[in-house]
Amino acid sequence: GAGVSQSPSNKVTEKGKDVELRCDPISGHTALYWYRQSLGQGLEFLIYFQGNSAPDKSGLPSDRFSAERTGGSVSTLTIQRTQQEDSAVYLCASSLAIYRQYFGPGTRLTVL
Amino acid sequence: AQTVTQSQPEMSVQEAETVTLSCTYDTSESDYYLFWYKQPPSRQMILVIRQEAYKQQNATENRFSVNFQKAAKSFSLKISDSQLGDAAMYFCAYYYSGNTPLVFGKGTRLSVIA
Repeated sequence: GAGVSQSPSNKVTEKGKDVELRCDPISGHTALYWYRQSLGQGLEFLIYFQGNSAPDKSGLPSDRFSAERTGGSVSTLTIQRTQQEDSAVYLCASSLAIYRQYFGPGTRLTVL
Repeated sequence: AQTVTQSQPEMSVQEAETVTLSCTYDTSESDYYLFWYKQPPSRQMILVIRQEAYKQQNATENRFSVNFQKAAKSFSLKISDSQLGDAAMYFCAYYYSGNTPLVFGKGTRLSVIA
């Protein structure tokens, strides 16, 4: 079956612009995670959705970052007023079993 | 807070040889999971192997095996008979609860020399 998909694959934007990154999880997966991978770093947790529960936003670095998950499926990560330090690969993962996360290919964001 | 440390930013191995990647972690929990993920240039994170902390037996998946030392909080990955396709970033990760994300180390870049 289809895995986790993310779009766009690459995004180049200018400083100060808003961007939206999309994640389509595996059908039926109740949990969805967003991570950020900066150059030379590991993956940094951003936000977590589990079913209909309130999302865990504890990893969001600033109030310029937000995310929503519509209908328990597709998720959009929005970064407002982008800064150069936002340049990174943004990875999405979904899971059904608590210990098995499936990752998408990521979106590489470049802020000029 | 849980932390995961990978002390080897880069490693290299000759094709067909064996290499071991190191990982240590810090936690006060007794029941948790540990993982090794592979990230090739395609950026796709691929689960290599998983270890449940309550299991004493080390996990094995074909050419990949782990040395899990719970008391020492150490979780190393051994790759046997290394192949060119094993070249990638390898991340060690920790997970302990259904309501928490994975905690990742900073990764080890593995090069395989033909």
